[in-house]
Amino acid sequence: GESVGLHLPTLSVQEGDNSIINCAYSNSASDYFIWYKQESGKGPQFIIDIRSNMDKRQGQRVTVLLNKTVKHLSLQIAATQPGDSAVYFCAEVDNFNKFYFGSGTKLNVKP
Amino acid sequence: DSGVTQTPKHLITATGQRVTLRCSPRSGDLSVYWYQQSLDQGLQFLIQYYNGEERAKGNILERFSAQQFPDLHSELNLSSLELGDSALYFCASSKGLLGPGELFFGEGSRLTVL
Repeated sequence: GESVGLHLPTLSVQEGDNSIINCAYSNSASDYFIWYKQESGKGPQFIIDIRSNMDKRQGQRVTVLLNKTVKHLSLQIAATQPGDSAVYFCAEVDNFNKFYFGSGTKLNVKP
Repeated sequence: DSGVTQTPKHLITATGQRVTLRCSPRSGDLSVYWYQQSLDQGLQFLIQYYNGEERAKGNILERFSAQQFPDLHSELNLSSLELGDSALYFCASSKGLLGPGELFFGEGSRLTVL
């Protein structure tokens, strides 16, 4: 499958700070990119997605940025809270509707 | 609660054995996906079914097979188990073939092969 990876395996931030989680992808033909959050003992949960024809999309406290030139995806979490502690996965969806997930970044929010 | 139900939640078995994992998708969802998540690894796509038919195949071993039944529940069969098959197996469902953000995951079945 295509290669989707993450720059940082673990990220520790102070409560209230902003968090940035990065992801690199390799398939320039991918149409969708999605961020998932996986809390301990649970399945991944959808956070936010972005189409390849966009470079930014905002949700509630989260923003996804897509830089197609360097094949880079990032997730920004504003005012990080303890409940944001989890593993975050990026995924790219190819034109066969297959999802390829990165290995995940663990976000640790310190009170 | 995503609405996707997986059983069993935990399973311990021995090498060489065969197990079946079960998934009930969200009500109304026609597509079911199976993923494997090994320790410190990302989610590896195994296979997808849509309305009873196999739709896409990922990195699924020949020792593994799956099916989707008329009532849309799905089973993943793992045979001749090896130690390396120990992992979390997730099922996900979506309404159609797929659209952005439509993939809903169950809580997984943790398989331990001793």
